[in-house]
Amino acid sequence: EAGVTQFPSHSVIEKGQTVTLRCDPISGHDNLYWYRRVMGKEIKFLLHFVKESKQDESGMPNNRFLAERTGGTYSTLKVQPAELEDSGVYFCASSQALSGSGGYTFGSGTRLTVV
Amino acid sequence: AQSVTQLDSQVPVFEEAPVELRCNYSSSVSVYLFWYVQYPNQGLQLLLKYLSGSTLVKGINGFEAEFNKSQTSFHLRKPSVHISDTAEYFCAVSPYPYSGGGADGLTFGKGTHLIIQP
Repeated sequence: EAGVTQFPSHSVIEKGQTVTLRCDPISGHDNLYWYRRVMGKEIKFLLHFVKESKQDESGMPNNRFLAERTGGTYSTLKVQPAELEDSGVYFCASSQALSGSGGYTFGSGTRLTVV
Repeated sequence: AQSVTQLDSQVPVFEEAPVELRCNYSSSVSVYLFWYVQYPNQGLQLLLKYLSGSTLVKGINGFEAEFNKSQTSFHLRKPSVHISDTAEYFCAVSPYPYSGGGADGLTFGKGTHLIIQP
């Protein structure tokens, strides 16, 4: 089966610009998660979709971040306007069961650099 | 809420020597436990997971981990490492579904760089 796909793999943007990250989960996985790793820190949970609904967005840092999952398939994470502190690696993961008892599968991540 | 502590940010070890990467966690509810590995320029790959049952869990690439509930630990071990094991290793937990333990996603430790010396 195809894995979790994320693109772009790298993005360099200027402060104040907008960037949209995309994640395609494994087909049939209702649960989709976004995580972020800022350099030198741990990987942090951002939000969780069940199908097209936001189950938990408690990790979203502020209202400059907007996540969508139209139709319950792929998801996008938009940062508008981007700030320097948004730089980091953004990971997407999907799972069939809640809490990943069947395992979470991660994408390769998008490395975002805001200059 | 949960927290995960990986005490060692870096572990240097000689090739073919054994290694243990330490992980302790804290949680007010029951959790599932995971170890993930990130090889250079790649995404996160699941090494092994503990859901229930036997406390000794075997994973891929010869790794194993032991769940110790009384010490709230989930240390990762390998009896003989290879150069190809050079990577960053992450311990993580997630709460049982509907346990009221917070977000359903993973809470990660800060990661441990395993450095294999020839």
